[in-house]
Amino acid sequence: DAKTTQPPSMDCAEGRAANLPCNHSTISGNEYVYWYRQIHSQGPQYIIHGLKNNETNEMASLIITEDRKSSTLILPHATLRDTAVYYCIVSRISSGSARQLTFGSGTQLTVLP
Amino acid sequence: EPEVTQTPSHQVTQMGQEVILRCVPISNHLYFYWYRQILGQKVEFLVSFYNNEISEKSEIFDDQFSVERPDGSNFTLKIRSTKLEDSAMYFCASGQGVGTQYFGPGTRLLVL
Repeated sequence: DAKTTQPPSMDCAEGRAANLPCNHSTISGNEYVYWYRQIHSQGPQYIIHGLKNNETNEMASLIITEDRKSSTLILPHATLRDTAVYYCIVSRISSGSARQLTFGSGTQLTVLP
Repeated sequence: EPEVTQTPSHQVTQMGQEVILRCVPISNHLYFYWYRQILGQKVEFLVSFYNNEISEKSEIFDDQFSVERPDGSNFTLKIRSTKLEDSAMYFCASGQGVGTQYFGPGTRLLVL
């Protein structure tokens, strides 16, 4: 799976949009971009994933550049409860095989009051 | 909303003892995983399970570890002879199809 690069930390004001960048310049055509987050020592929480089109769900939006070498996770109105470590993970989906997720160090997002 | 559950939430054991960590995946999921996170470190993959057999395993998952799906609902991780370095949070995850994984709250294992 392709490696990802994320800034180690970011701050965001409460109520503002949080934009978390991720570089994955070696991504292959069959690899998806996944975003998870981990609040304190809780289990990682799935946020969103995409292949090449932009995606939106109730939690966030995912913007993937046209060349797929980078992406941005957007939390439209950050709250204090969004303070967490955010992980960008690239993984190939393989039918009939339970593929692992490889977690990096992620970005520590701190939402400030 | 269905969730992955794990028991116990905390386990303290003596070095050399066997421990079994239990997980109840989301009911219609077919793919099962164990990860661990040593305090202050990254989340690390241990093993994945599909169709009643191990699909992938990491170098961490040596002969001291085993997984089992003893019935239609539980998924267990056994550590036969615990070491001090096995102290970590252990997370179970499950997935409905290929791709997205849903994690449980974890079991904090402390080996003394």
